[in-house]
Amino acid sequence: KAGVTQTPRYLIKTRGQQVTLSCSPISGHRSVSWYQQTPGQGLQFLFEYFSETQRNKGNFPGRFSGRQFSNSRSEMNVSTLELGDSALYLCASSLDGTREWEQYFGPGTRLTVT
Amino acid sequence: GEDVEQSLFLSVREGDSSVINCTYTDSSSTYLYWYKQEPGAGLQLLTYIFSNMDMKQDQRLTVLLNKKDKHLSLRIADTQTGDSAIYFCAESYTGGFKTIFGAGTRLFVKA
Repeated sequence: KAGVTQTPRYLIKTRGQQVTLSCSPISGHRSVSWYQQTPGQGLQFLFEYFSETQRNKGNFPGRFSGRQFSNSRSEMNVSTLELGDSALYLCASSLDGTREWEQYFGPGTRLTVT
Repeated sequence: GEDVEQSLFLSVREGDSSVINCTYTDSSSTYLYWYKQEPGAGLQLLTYIFSNMDMKQDQRLTVLLNKKDKHLSLRIADTQTGDSAIYFCAESYTGGFKTIFGAGTRLFVKA
């Protein structure tokens, strides 16, 4: 079965713009989590969605938001981009979020803010 | 609080064993994981261990958990050049819906 897909794979934006990233989970998976990976901060949890509801949120400003659709696909949005938002954004899917050991990661979207 | 620490670099010769260490602070952690990330790629789950286990072996990989000291290690036997990557230690807990990662250990394998 197909793995987790993320689009686009690479993105270049300018400060002040906004961006939307997309994640399609493995078929049948209902939980989608988002992580930001930077050289300085490492991997940090952004938020997790299950059945279109945000169940948990990390310590990120309100400029970072997300949503999940009825088909479990998820999008994250970053408004008013800052240089520090340049990062690899990873999403991960699991059946329902409780079986953590079955969390599968996508290849990521590399966002560069200039 | 939640914190996972691991050393940043490890260099070994091909054929030797590699041992990557990790410490965590959250005693309520239920699951502990090792992920591998190769350049330009996402994270690949290598192995995991439940907090009620001491050891888990999976082919060349051995995970040891010392719950008293909150210490987790990953041993890779007969390390190959293809094992060169960043290895992340991570923890989560039941109902937490999120995974806390360490900074990653970059493993260099010299031929």
